[in-house]
Amino acid sequence: DQQVKQNSPSLSVQEGRISILNCDYTNSMFDYFLWYKKYPAEGPTFLISISSIKDKNEDGRFTVFLNKSAKHLSLHIVPSQPGDSAVYFCAAPKGAGGTSYGKLTFGQGTILTVHP
Amino acid sequence: ETGVTQSPTHLIKTRGQQVTLRCSSQSGHNTVSWYQQALGQGPQFIFQYYREEENGRGNFPPRFSGLQFPNYSSELNVNALELDDSALYLCASSAVGGETQYFGPGTRLLVL
Repeated sequence: DQQVKQNSPSLSVQEGRISILNCDYTNSMFDYFLWYKKYPAEGPTFLISISSIKDKNEDGRFTVFLNKSAKHLSLHIVPSQPGDSAVYFCAAPKGAGGTSYGKLTFGQGTILTVHP
Repeated sequence: ETGVTQSPTHLIKTRGQQVTLRCSSQSGHNTVSWYQQALGQGPQFIFQYYREEENGRGNFPPRFSGLQFPNYSSELNVNALELDDSALYLCASSAVGGETQYFGPGTRLLVL
């Protein structure tokens, strides 16, 4: 049962343009979402998060949007840079409590390639 | 501040064997989680250790087991290896209540 889904395996954009990565979820109990970025031969690194009480969270070039009614979130990167080329995962914690952030359900990932 | 480290980086085993993977948490972190990432998939939660006890498990059989030591380092043990156990195994550490997990680079296990 894939509770977090990223239906686009890959995305290719030109440097300077916007990258939009999408994520859908089925579990209505999820109330917090995170995006992680992964380069080859490295572990995932935290990028940005959003709580379900918000519909938008911004950090520099990265913005995450949450549409609870559609159970959909998206990550926007503007402007995209070649160094952004990586695999992007959306994730949601299982359960509640202080240790729940360490029990993540991940999507399958989207490979982003930003061309110079 | 030392990040999360894992050993070994690569490992080849044969079906039926047992394997132990190791993880050193980031300094000050008392929670460690283990994930399995198959090729082309996202990481899947195996289990979490907090204060040296298992604190939640994903959909993995009992032949996947773990330990957390007083210095917060951790081991993942897999018995009776199967071909499908071939994957990248990631550990991540965090402080309780901290939303951010810090992942190690992973151990790539190949079961032949």
